[in-house]
Amino acid sequence: AQSVTQLDSQVPVFEEAPVELRCNYSSSVSVYLFWYVQYPNQGLQLLLKYLSGSTLVKGINGFEAEFNKSQTSFHLRKPSVHISDTAEYFCAVSDQGSSNTGKLIFGQGTTLQVKP
Amino acid sequence: DAGITQSPRHKVTETGTPVTLRCHQTENHRYMYWYRQDPGHGLRLIHYSYGVKDTDKGEVSDGYSVSRSKTEDFLLTLESATSSQTSVYFCANRDRTTGELFFGEGSRLTVL
Repeated sequence: AQSVTQLDSQVPVFEEAPVELRCNYSSSVSVYLFWYVQYPNQGLQLLLKYLSGSTLVKGINGFEAEFNKSQTSFHLRKPSVHISDTAEYFCAVSDQGSSNTGKLIFGQGTTLQVKP
Repeated sequence: DAGITQSPRHKVTETGTPVTLRCHQTENHRYMYWYRQDPGHGLRLIHYSYGVKDTDKGEVSDGYSVSRSKTEDFLLTLESATSSQTSVYFCANRDRTTGELFFGEGSRLTVL
């Protein structure tokens, strides 16, 4: 079974500052990794995903994440945030097994609050 | 965008009443999912479907049932709603090519 831990429930940051949202996972099998964003009163939207290949993954809105297998981490970063990045961010994992049903296991979420 | 529509978007009901939430997709994706979102818990999988009449339980399935009689519709039923089922419910489908899940805008359920 997999599990996901997002290490910070809230991250306040000033506009134009860099930010890192931390995510660690646990799994006995190889995994796919995802970051989703949720704006207020909306559904979730995919930011980026790691399926295979390069461990540095670039997504939408200037976000990127790095898969670190030895540390079982998939931290999300942005070099300069905007007010519009204020949202809740979810890290998620799914297994690569042959019976892969595509089920995602989500972390608890991190609220990014960008201040002017 | 995988064209997911959830209905109703908001519902208030009383303890002990049955409730059905509907998820409709315009795509023809095989896999569909129901999640609930609660503060501090992220999203937790309730049930999922891998085809017409093919469903399975997720991690928080107690008190919920699902049905999928057509590819495009996935229904979530609370047979007898309880206050602990007050939550925001999200439906999703999966693009099997990319592995991405696409989510609806959610159904907010309040059980009094």
